[in-house]
Amino acid sequence: GAGVSQSPSNKVTEKGKDVELRCDPISGHTALYWYRQSLGQGLEFLIYFQGNSAPDKSGLPSDRFSAERTGGSVSTLTIQRTQQEDSAVYLCASSLVPGSYNEQFFGPGTRLTVL
Amino acid sequence: GNSVTQMEGPVTLSEEAFLTINCTYTATGYPSLFWYVQYPGEGLQLLLKATKADDKGSNKGFEATYRKETTSFHLEKGSVQVSDSAVYFCALQRQGGSEKLVFGKGTKLTVNP
Repeated sequence: GAGVSQSPSNKVTEKGKDVELRCDPISGHTALYWYRQSLGQGLEFLIYFQGNSAPDKSGLPSDRFSAERTGGSVSTLTIQRTQQEDSAVYLCASSLVPGSYNEQFFGPGTRLTVL
Repeated sequence: GNSVTQMEGPVTLSEEAFLTINCTYTATGYPSLFWYVQYPGEGLQLLLKATKADDKGSNKGFEATYRKETTSFHLEKGSVQVSDSAVYFCALQRQGGSEKLVFGKGTKLTVNP
């Protein structure tokens, strides 16, 4: 079956612009995660969704970052007024339900470059 | 807080060499431990996991044992292949709450023929 998909695969934007990154999880997966992979910080957790709710937003680095999930499926991560330090690969993962007995499946990522 | 420390890379080996990538963790309670692998041009994928002390995870010839007394989960393979060239990430997951993964910084492995 289809895996986790993300779009766009690459995004180049100018400092100060807003960007939207999309994640389509595996069908039926209730848990959805966003992570960020950058050279300086490694792989960091951003936000977790269970269904359409986000009970853990502790990893969002600033109030310029927000995310939503609709229909218990697609999620969008929005970064407002992008800064150069936002340049990174943004990864989405989903699992059937939360928990270590349920593997998190990762998408290919969106590479964001802020000029 | 919870954290994972893994050996800095890059690591370069010849084919059929023995591989060890060290990983230690700090966490409250009893986390589950994972190794993820990222092959060139591909997404992150689970390599193996262990959910309790003394468990051994294994896959594709790789092994790691959950050592609570040393808070470690070192990755080993007896004979590496060129196709094992990738970036390896150690990670932990605490039970309860969001079940988010906490990753180490990754170790890049290059295996030469």
